[in-house]
Amino acid sequence: NAGVTQTPKFRVLKTGQSMTLLCAQDMNHEYMYWYRQDPGMGLRLIHYSVGEGTTAKGEVPDGYNVSRLKKQNFLLGLESAAPSQTSVYFCASSSPAKRASYNEQFFGPGTRLTVL
Amino acid sequence: GQSLEQPSEVTAVEGAIVQINCTYQTSGFYGLSWYQQHDGGAPTFLSYNALDGLEETGRFSSFLSRSDSYGYLLLQELQMKDSASYFCAVNSGNTPLVFGKGTRLSVIA
Repeated sequence: NAGVTQTPKFRVLKTGQSMTLLCAQDMNHEYMYWYRQDPGMGLRLIHYSVGEGTTAKGEVPDGYNVSRLKKQNFLLGLESAAPSQTSVYFCASSSPAKRASYNEQFFGPGTRLTVL
Repeated sequence: GQSLEQPSEVTAVEGAIVQINCTYQTSGFYGLSWYQQHDGGAPTFLSYNALDGLEETGRFSSFLSRSDSYGYLLLQELQMKDSASYFCAVNSGNTPLVFGKGTRLSVIA
């Protein structure tokens, strides 16, 4: 099993460009999440999904959109990138059958995004 | 809302024991989790406490006191490979985890 994978691993954008980050998991998890991590800020939740076709806002959703058309995939979109979105983006997934749903999350390797 | 406080940095000697504290404020509380993250890597799950007391997993133990809104991660027989950042995270039921800002542990010889 590959676990949680993310595409791409690195990306450089110019201000105003758009892009989509792809997250895929092969563990049949119901829940999926997108976080951003900035130095000294820990992990901050952008959006999450508790099942196929459902999404919800997290702590820092502005400037991002998400879609969960298939259970195994969770896409994060940046419609008009800004330098403030320079960050490392992590996708994670978890199963509601274990440890009160949200606690044991499995993370992907991350996408390092730079917006110039 | 929820907030968590943990020290930003801790340094300890190889072979020693180190404790990383976490205090939290939250409306509603289900449990406290701990994650480890090496530089350039992804966070990995270490432990989860929903009830008061100590949970032991090998060299790592995690403690929770719900009445004090406090928990800690205890690392014993420290090894160089334990140098990493450690995050506590709170689960308040139907909302996803909220993470602390992390504690950077440096293990020195």
